[in-house]
Parts: sequence; C-alpha cells; structure tokens
Amino acid sequence: DSGVTQTPKHLITATGQRVTLRCSPRSGDLSVYWYQQSLDQGLQFLIQYYNGEERAKGNILERFSAQQFPDLHSELNLSSLELGDSALYFCASSVEAGRGNTIYFGEGSWLTVV
Amino acid sequence: QKEVEQDPGPLSVPEGAIVSLNCTYSNSAFQYFMWYRQYSRKGPELLMYTYSSGNKEDGRFTAQVDKSSKYISLFIRDSQPSDSATYLCANGTGTASKLTFGTGTRLQVTL
Repeated sequence: DSGVTQTPKHLITATGQRVTLRCSPRSGDLSVYWYQQSLDQGLQFLIQYYNGEERAKGNILERFSAQQFPDLHSELNLSSLELGDSALYFCASSVEAGRGNTIYFGEGSWLTVV
Repeated sequence: QKEVEQDPGPLSVPEGAIVSLNCTYSNSAFQYFMWYRQYSRKGPELLMYTYSSGNKEDGRFTAQVDKSSKYISLFIRDSQPSDSATYLCANGTGTASKLTFGTGTRLQVTL
C-alpha cells in the first residue's frame, strides 16, 4: 500500500457525461500528479499540483481540469467524455516537486466510457 | 519517435533465470532514471532509481544506465513467478517534476 488513495476504483459512464476522480496523497506529501494510462499510449503525465498551485502541465485535454484543495487532496474532472477517454487514471504524490525518486502511485481509477 | 522506448514483450523466462529488460531514450535532458513494476490493474511501484551512468544494485535487481548511448537496463537475478508483471522505465529531468514513461515490458516467469 503506497498510502495514496483514489476513489472511485471503477466507474462506467456514458459519452458526453462528466466525472470527478478523487485523490488523497500520502500523509505529508505536498505534490500531487495525475497520469492517464491507456493500452496504446502507456502512462501519460497530465498535470501536477504542489501545495495547492499548478506546477506542471502535460498532455491534458481542455475538457479535463484538476485542482488541489487546502487539505491537499486533489480532484480530476473529466467532462464531455468520449470513448477514447476510457483508461486507468492514476494519482501519485511526493513530498516535494522535482524529485522523481519519491513519487508514489495510487491504485488507480478505472474509467470506462460507453 | 517516442521519447522513451521499450520492447512490449511479452518476455517469458523460466524460474531462476536472469532477466534483462531494456529501454532507450532520446531526450538528452533526462537526468534521472527509474524502473517501476506494475502488476495487472495496480499502481506502478518504484523499484530502482538512479541519476548517473553505471550500475546500481538492490537485492536481486540491478539498474544499468549508459548515458552516452541513451540506454537503460534492469537485470533481475534468480527470477521468481512473483516477478511476473509489467516493468516500466521512466525518465525525468532535474528541474521538471513529470516523469516520461516507456510503454512497459510484460514479463512472465514460469515454474
């Protein structure tokens, strides 16, 4: 158990809908990362927050947004869902930004868009 | 061309074999290199981390980095069925926080 908690574990929704994925980082970790894993693309970095502020952005679609709250939990919002958004969404956390060796991943949220 | 490339496998070896997993990268800015292990539908688990060329050993695992040829390897000695998983190499730069992952190599260790 990495200490990173993600909910829900599984989610099935229809195209055009909106979902919110939630992440609680490890105790003491200030940085939260979101990654998307699909069969054909592998693990893709979406976005990073550090202590409530956006720190880095990757290949995140405009239909997707994220935020980190004062209690350091984070939410990833996915809207106008398409079939191609079906993937495993991972949250990861680390104590500080810029230190790859301390990044711990949660178990993921499996999103299926039908 | 992807920044980080891995042979997807699957790679099937008998129990006790030495396994060699490889990864190449194209971005010269990468300064640190990691190997993650991912069991089916689970989160990636950090196995090895290194930031310099050469070898780093941890138990049955050895990570090898050759920055001149942009080649990274992970060796697993005395492989066990519990090593059956997908192995992901990941690279990062010194200032950026995001990691760039390969697509992973699926390993199966048979009895």
